[in-house]
Amino acid sequence: GAVVSQHPSWVICKSGTSVKIECRSLDFQATTMFWYRQFPKQSLMLMATSNEGSKATYEQGVEKDKFLINHASLTLSTLTVTSAHPEDSSFYICSARARGGRNTGELFFGEGSRLTVL
Amino acid sequence: AQRVTQPEKLLSVFKGAPVELKCNYSYSGSPELFWYVQYSRQRLQLLLRHISRESIKGFTADLNKGETSFHLKKPFAQEEDSAMYYCALSAVTSGSRLTFGEGTQLTVNP
Repeated sequence: GAVVSQHPSWVICKSGTSVKIECRSLDFQATTMFWYRQFPKQSLMLMATSNEGSKATYEQGVEKDKFLINHASLTLSTLTVTSAHPEDSSFYICSARARGGRNTGELFFGEGSRLTVL
Repeated sequence: AQRVTQPEKLLSVFKGAPVELKCNYSYSGSPELFWYVQYSRQRLQLLLRHISRESIKGFTADLNKGETSFHLKKPFAQEEDSAMYYCALSAVTSGSRLTFGEGTQLTVNP
C-alpha cells in the first residue's frame, strides 16, 4: 500500500526556536495533505489542509503564522512551528490523499512526529 | 458543525467474547463514517468505511442514521484486536477533512 513518511519522528527544541516537520508520500502523488495535532490521550485535531501549489486552509483557532505549512510538490508538505513554546509540545500527524483519489478511503497516515519544547 | 463521540475511553473484554465499540455523531448533512485503528507503535490505518459495507478482520459497522450511530462490532474478539480505535466523520463535500472521535482503547485479555 501507499506509504507516508514523516521526519523527524521525534524532536526536542528550545523555546523560541523554529522546528520543521516533513511529510512525504513515498510512492504516490498527493495533491492534498492534512496536518493533525494530538495531545496525550486525546483525539486527533485537524489543523490545516494543504494543497499542492496553493496556500493552506487552516481550521478555526489555528494560528497560520505560528504553524507555517508549505506544499511545494506533489510528494512533500512541511509544517514549521515558529517560535516554539512548551505549549506547542504535541504529536503532529500528517495524512495524504492520493492524486485521483475519489474518497477519504484513500487517505494514508504518517507515523507522526513528537515535538517537545523545553 | 461536525462532532463524533466515543463514550468509552477504555474497553476490556476476554478473548472470544463479543465486542462493540460505540460511536455517535452529529452532522446535519450526509456524512461518511469511518473506523480507524492504531496498533501499538504503528500508524493510524483505515479499518472500514460505512459505504463499503464490508467486514474487515471480522469487524462490521452499520450506519444508523436514525440513531446517528456507527458502532463497531465483532462477534469473537481476538488478542490481536487490542488497539486504539477511532471513529471519524467526513462531510461528503468536505474533501476528506476528517473529524475524529476521542478514541477507545480496546484490550482483549487471554
